[in-house]
Amino acid sequence: DAGVTQSPTHLIKTRGQQVTLRCSPKSGHDTVSWYQQALGQGPQFIFQYYEEEERQRGNFPDRFSGHQFPNYSSELNVNALLLGDSALYLCASSTRTGRWDQPQHFGDGTRLSIL
Amino acid sequence: KQEVTQIPAALSVPEGENLVLNCSFTDSAIYNLQWFRQDPGKGLTSLLLIQSSQREQTSGRLNASLDKSSGRSTLYIAASQPGDSATYLCAVRGGSNYKLTFGKGTLLTVNP
Repeated sequence: DAGVTQSPTHLIKTRGQQVTLRCSPKSGHDTVSWYQQALGQGPQFIFQYYEEEERQRGNFPDRFSGHQFPNYSSELNVNALLLGDSALYLCASSTRTGRWDQPQHFGDGTRLSIL
Repeated sequence: KQEVTQIPAALSVPEGENLVLNCSFTDSAIYNLQWFRQDPGKGLTSLLLIQSSQREQTSGRLNASLDKSSGRSTLYIAASQPGDSATYLCAVRGGSNYKLTFGKGTLLTVNP
C-alpha cells in the first residue's frame, strides 16, 4: 500500500522563478493538504483541496496556488520565488469522510532551495 | 488563534531512560491531537492520535496523554533507544477548518 508520494525530492531555483511540486495521496484518500516547514520550525498550513477545489487556506500570499486532479493527486505552484520560500514542502492526505477524527499521513516532502 | 508550544526544545538522555515530552495549546476547542516523529530531512511519521474525548493512547513504548481542559499533552517514551533520536512534533486540529497547527518540536538525542 503506497503512502503519500511527493516529487521532486529536491529542487533548486533562483529568485523570481516559478516552481511546481507534486503529490500523490495515500491509496483511498481524497483530501490533500500542503504545509511549508522552514528550518527549525513546525510545518505551517498552506491550503487544503478536496473535490478538486481549494477548501481552506492559511496565511500565505496568492503567489501560492494549487490544483487537485480527478485522481486526487495535487500540485502546489509558487510564483515569483523569494529567498524566504526556501523550505521543506510537505503534502498530507486524509479521507474527507470522518476528516475530523482521522490521522493525516505525510509524504517525505520536497526540499526547495532558492538562490 | 491557536498556538502550540513544545517544551523542551531539545533533550539529550542516555539509552534506557524514560522520558516525557510536553506540548501545550492555547485553545482547548480541539478535535484531536497528533504526535509525529521527524527524522532529519524527512517527512512526518504519525505516532499517536488522541481524539478530544480520549485521555490517552498507547503504542508500544509510547504513551500519549491529553488534558484538553488545561491545554496540555505529554508523550512518554519508555526505555529510550538510540533509534528514538529524532524531532518530535505535536499538532492539534480544531476550529473552523481542518488544518493542523504544529509546535516547533522537541529534538531528542538518545546516547548509547
